[in-house]
Amino acid sequence: AQTVTQSQPEMSVQEAETVTLSCTYDTSESDYYLFWYKQPPSRQMILVIRQEAYKQQNATENRFSVNFQKAAKSFSLKISDSQLGDAAMYFCAYRSAAGTYKYIFGTGTRLKVLA
Amino acid sequence: EAGVTQFPSHSVIEKGQTVTLRCDPISGHDNLYWYRRVMGKEIKFLLHFVKESKQDESGMPNNRFLAERTGGTYSTLKVQPAELEDSGVYFCASSLLGSSYNSPLHFGNGTRLTVT
Repeated sequence: AQTVTQSQPEMSVQEAETVTLSCTYDTSESDYYLFWYKQPPSRQMILVIRQEAYKQQNATENRFSVNFQKAAKSFSLKISDSQLGDAAMYFCAYRSAAGTYKYIFGTGTRLKVLA
Repeated sequence: EAGVTQFPSHSVIEKGQTVTLRCDPISGHDNLYWYRRVMGKEIKFLLHFVKESKQDESGMPNNRFLAERTGGTYSTLKVQPAELEDSGVYFCASSLLGSSYNSPLHFGNGTRLTVT
């Protein structure tokens, strides 16, 4: 069975600085999708960034980028120029490209942004 | 476009009572998922509907949980009778049919259930 591990329960970053949130996963599949979701204090989770496993190029969305290392099964999220609005819980998620539509989530990382 | 709506936002019930959670997905979203997060733990999959059919209910903890999606629109998740370990935040999410890369999950705000 697939698993997703987020080893950092909490992280802090100074405003305008860069922070990296780690995520590792375990799977025997070769084709899958990876996601980072953000849950601000208002509680609705929103998609931050996504990556297809067969694409070697790392995904980028404005200040958010990932470092996808398929062989190492690592999918870290880098937030550049951190803003107060980035403070939230961040969840890493995995989904197989075939079969079940089930998403596997990690335990989350709480990011604090210090002014 | 209205988002995924869940209610109630909070529910506090006593052990042994019944609670029904409701989720209204985004209009046109045939995929509907229920997830649960217990404090400090991962978000766990409960089940997945495609329209009114249960596609995967492998995450349902036991037969005290019953999910329905009559007519393929809104869904309900009933817990009867509730136990202390059922406490947590229950999330609903919906998406369009098709590859999940192009149709990501849209989440509701969740229902925080506390069983005392």
